[in-house]
Amino acid sequence: EVQLVESGGGLVKPGGSLRLSCAASGFTFSSYSMNWVRQAPGKGLEWVSSISSSSSYIYYADSVKGRFTISRDNAKNSLYLQMNSLRAEDTAVYYCARAPGSPEQMDTAWYFDYWGQGTLVTVSS
Amino acid sequence: DIQMTQSPSSVSASVGDRVTITCRASQGISSWLAWYQQKPGKAPKLLIYAASSLQSGVPSRFSGSGSGTDFTLTISSLQPEDFATYYCHGGFTFGPGTKVDIK
Repeated sequence: EVQLVESGGGLVKPGGSLRLSCAASGFTFSSYSMNWVRQAPGKGLEWVSSISSSSSYIYYADSVKGRFTISRDNAKNSLYLQMNSLRAEDTAVYYCARAPGSPEQMDTAWYFDYWGQGTLVTVSS
Repeated sequence: DIQMTQSPSSVSASVGDRVTITCRASQGISSWLAWYQQKPGKAPKLLIYAASSLQSGVPSRFSGSGSGTDFTLTISSLQPEDFATYYCHGGFTFGPGTKVDIK
């Protein structure tokens, strides 16, 4: 059974940092692209970042570029999101999600087939 | 960047109704479109990928169509468990969502 479990969320002050983790199991983690998607309270889904299976290709939303860093450790079946210079508008539930396709080859395999339960990040003083 | 729009933003419907949701991309995306269902407090769930392929385990009352810039999600006979918000997704962009609630 595919499982994605996020952790690391919490309350942080503006300007602070947080590192999210996503532990994957039930599939060959190193064969899949991975993604972070967030959802602000009462709002829609917002794509945050994507990383290809071998970390060769990385993409960020303009809203987080230069502040967030996505990474993965295929030996540990884990995905990470380092978030720096956090702002109030970064407050959201952050989901990790698996993609069968590759972000550098946007095609019909580019969709998110499994999602974690999400971890809440609150940026407030 | 690709922009995605959805219409309507909300729809009130009854059990048994046929519901159609439209998604439009700002530029052609071939068939690179997925649809998700999200219920309050839950993670999104993949329904349709590649515009018209039904994800395993998803009831056949859900169907998708379209290519290029215009896509539709159809629920042929709305069931009580289908009341939720639906999002389209193309490239690195999600649509704003369509809330389906009880009439």
